[in-house]
Amino acid sequence: NAGVTQTPKFRILKIGQSMTLQCTQDMNHNYMYWYRQDPGMGLKLIYYSVGAGITDKGEVPNGYNVSRSTTEDFPLRLELAAPSQTSVYFCASRDRDNSPLHFGNGTRLTVT
Amino acid sequence: AQRVTQPEKLLSVFKGAPVELKCNYSYSGSPELFWYVQYSRQRLQLLLRHISRESIKGFTADLNKGETSFHLKKPFAQEEDSAMYYCALSGRTNAGKSTFGDGTTLTVKP
Repeated sequence: NAGVTQTPKFRILKIGQSMTLQCTQDMNHNYMYWYRQDPGMGLKLIYYSVGAGITDKGEVPNGYNVSRSTTEDFPLRLELAAPSQTSVYFCASRDRDNSPLHFGNGTRLTVT
Repeated sequence: AQRVTQPEKLLSVFKGAPVELKCNYSYSGSPELFWYVQYSRQRLQLLLRHISRESIKGFTADLNKGETSFHLKKPFAQEEDSAMYYCALSGRTNAGKSTFGDGTTLTVKP
């Protein structure tokens, strides 16, 4: 059982480049989330989705976009990367609104 | 608004000593509280949740609604407990969005 899978594990971007962080889960969870983790800080919610075709902004959505065309996939798009987006990104899912979160391994992104 | 506060960024204890990681929350409704742990080079994973009232790896946490706290405790720390610990809160009415504390890095020294 793979759970939540994120790719890539590491990426270095130049300022202004774009990329998509992939996230897929095989648990048929409706709820999916993208968090970023900055050093010494907690996880901040970027975007979330309560089901296919439904997405909404979290605390820190600026500079990002998401889509949810299927239950399994929840990609995060960075347009015009900036150094402030250097962070570790975590995708997570859950089957009900208050059940535990299942996390991916994270993507470490550096923007220089 | 919901908020989670973990007042200690770093906590260091010796093996065999008791350990308590503090978590305080602010939420107007009935919260669901969780502790997640991230061991070195591993993904974040659930350690325990208040509703299950169980002990995992010797850790327990009791929800104190009067003090709005959910402290994590273990009577005898082990070296393998060294990790980053996050307290998180979910509300019942906000699409399951979880609010995390800033985390506490626990180091258990031999």
